[in-house]
Amino acid sequence: NAGVTQTPKFQVLKTGQSMTLQCAQDMNHNSMYWYRQDPGMGLRLIYYSASEGTTDKGEVPNGYNVSRLNKREFSLRLESAAPSQTSVYFCASRRRGVGTDTQYFGPGTRLTVL
Amino acid sequence: AQSVTQLGSHVSVSEGALVLLRCNYSSSVPPYLFWYVQYPNQGLQLLLKYTSAATLVKGINGFEAEFKKSETSFHLTKPSAHMSDAAEYFCAVITSNAGNMLTFGGGTRLMVKP
Repeated sequence: NAGVTQTPKFQVLKTGQSMTLQCAQDMNHNSMYWYRQDPGMGLRLIYYSASEGTTDKGEVPNGYNVSRLNKREFSLRLESAAPSQTSVYFCASRRRGVGTDTQYFGPGTRLTVL
Repeated sequence: AQSVTQLGSHVSVSEGALVLLRCNYSSSVPPYLFWYVQYPNQGLQLLLKYTSAATLVKGINGFEAEFKKSETSFHLTKPSAHMSDAAEYFCAVITSNAGNMLTFGGGTRLMVKP
């Protein structure tokens, strides 16, 4: 049982390049989330998927797109990377999207945009 | 709207001393509250959560937190710090009227001196 896995662990992009961050969970959770972490700002929600087949914007969605490929996988795409998107990106999953169910986090992807 | 404020972005204690990390929340409805810990270059791990069952919540690694509605606080404590407690700690809140989305504080980095 690997929990939440993310690939890649590190990535360096040039401004304008595109890339997709991959996330998968093996806990049969319904809800999945993408956050970015910046110093002093905690984690901010980019997009989430309450259940397979649905996605919704979070607090900071501009410049990103997501795909809930199936129940296990939730990818985050940067179409045209900008230096402001330099951050650490975390994927998380949760059994349900309500109540006090714990969110489980992946190890993160460190992205640098030059 | 819900929000979380963590007082002190950096806290330094001596090994064996009391650890106190402060968290205040703002919510118009009963909140659920969480403390997460992040060790260097890792994802977030749940320490404990308040689900309204009991105001004093015990978590892993000897940490506990007390929910005080009158003070809108959920401070994290540990009687005796250990070197292995050095990490970043995040307080988070979730409410039904915010779509059950987690909102994080800015984080507090705990340093433990020998």
